[in-house]
Amino acid sequence: DTAVSQTPKYLVTQMGNDKSIKCEQNLGHDTMYWYKQDSKKFLKIMFSYNNKELIINETVPNRFSPKSPDKAHLNLHINSLELGDSAVYFCASSQEGVIGYTFGSGTRLTVV
Amino acid sequence: QKEVEQDPGPLSVPEGAIVSLNCTYSNSAFQYFMWYRQYSRKGPELLMYTYSSGNKEDGRFTAQVDKSSKYISLFIRDSQPSDSATYLCAMSRGGSNYKLTFGKGTLLTVNP
Repeated sequence: DTAVSQTPKYLVTQMGNDKSIKCEQNLGHDTMYWYKQDSKKFLKIMFSYNNKELIINETVPNRFSPKSPDKAHLNLHINSLELGDSAVYFCASSQEGVIGYTFGSGTRLTVV
Repeated sequence: QKEVEQDPGPLSVPEGAIVSLNCTYSNSAFQYFMWYRQYSRKGPELLMYTYSSGNKEDGRFTAQVDKSSKYISLFIRDSQPSDSATYLCAMSRGGSNYKLTFGKGTLLTVNP
């Protein structure tokens, strides 16, 4: 049973399209995150939700909109995709009192 | 200056070698220091963490933190081909449910 699962694993789409990435965790964690890893492997936080409430919103274009329907799910919707959005997007989760995150295996987004 | 600096390598060593990986940081508010390992096309996984200054050992891995120098290290003894991966340092101001700030990662290859 995968702890943090993301769908899809791969996404190839044209510039200007709108797409969504889904994330689900079955660990019972109370906080979920979206991180972006660029071509140089640099991981940067985008958003964080705690029990469905947005708690971190880094400097991210407002074309990116996270949604957390419940504490086990955190989705990422991206409008008007641009070439620079090409990256690997990782979902992660964590729990109060436990150090570190559990990451999903990533969604590789390619915008052409 | 980036908050966390890490030499991206690549680093190539023979099997059995001692490997030293390092990060420096500028934010003195960081209290928790972590090392993640990321295999190709996978999500990062937590290897070990240290709170504040000091050393921590786990099998072949030793993590060191020197807060006075804002310098952290990960040592791998008797390195194995299965250790070949990207190693990312990460830091946070709090223990859990806090934003992690990552280094760029060091790509390590251990040659049999």
